[in-house]
Amino acid sequence: KNQVEQSPQSLIILEGKNCTLQCNYTVSPFSNLRWYKQDTGRGPVSLTIMTFSENTKSNGRYTATLDADTKQSSLHITASQLSDSASYICVVSDDTDKLIFGTGTRLQVFP
Amino acid sequence: NAGVTQTPKFQVLKTGQSMTLQCAQDMNHEYMSWYRQDPGMGLRLIHYSVGAGITDQGEVPNGYNVSRSTTEDFPLRLLSAAPSQTSVYFCASSYLAGLAYEQYFGPGTRLTVT
Repeated sequence: KNQVEQSPQSLIILEGKNCTLQCNYTVSPFSNLRWYKQDTGRGPVSLTIMTFSENTKSNGRYTATLDADTKQSSLHITASQLSDSASYICVVSDDTDKLIFGTGTRLQVFP
Repeated sequence: NAGVTQTPKFQVLKTGQSMTLQCAQDMNHEYMSWYRQDPGMGLRLIHYSVGAGITDQGEVPNGYNVSRSTTEDFPLRLLSAAPSQTSVYFCASSYLAGLAYEQYFGPGTRLTVT
C-alpha cells in the first residue's frame, strides 16, 4: 500500500536553532516528492518539489534532500524563526500524478 | 492575481442540509481539485477536474458532487450533510511545471455538521 510517514509528529525548538524533519515513503512507481508548509488556518504552500534525479533542493533557509534508493526525504530548516511555526507536510506523487499526503510534522518555534 | 479563493470561510450545517462550497482561480490553470483535511490524517482527494466540462472522482467522493462549467470555477456540493463531513475543505489548482504539477491551495472552508 502506498504510504507516506513523517516523523516526528511534533517538535519544539528555540528560535535560531536548526532542525530536521523526516519523511519515509513506500509509493511506487515514484514520480516526485514535495514539501509543503501549512500555517494554522491556512492552505498548504509548496516549499520544494524534487523528481527522481534530484537529491537536494533549497528554498531560502529550507533544504530538502531525497534518497530514492532508501525512499527517504528530509527537510532541514536553518536558523529557525518564529514564522517557521507551522505544520510541514511531505507529499509523494506516483507516476499517475496521484498525490499521497503524509500527516505532517507540527513545528513550534519559541523565542 | 488573487490566486485560489474559497467561500465561505466557515459554515455550520444541520444534518440533511445541502450547500455549495465555492472555489475560483484566476491563474488559468486547467487542473483543479478538492481535498478534505481531518485531524491525524493526510489530505484526501474528493474530486478533481482536468479541464472545463471534465470531472472525476478521487479517494473519498461519496456524498459530494462537482461540476466544472468554466476554467475558473470548481464548486463542491454537499447533497445531504452528515456529521462525518465535518472537516476542513481545500480547493487547489495546478499547472504542469516541467516534470511535476505545481499546486496552489486556497485558504480552506471549515465546515461543521451538527
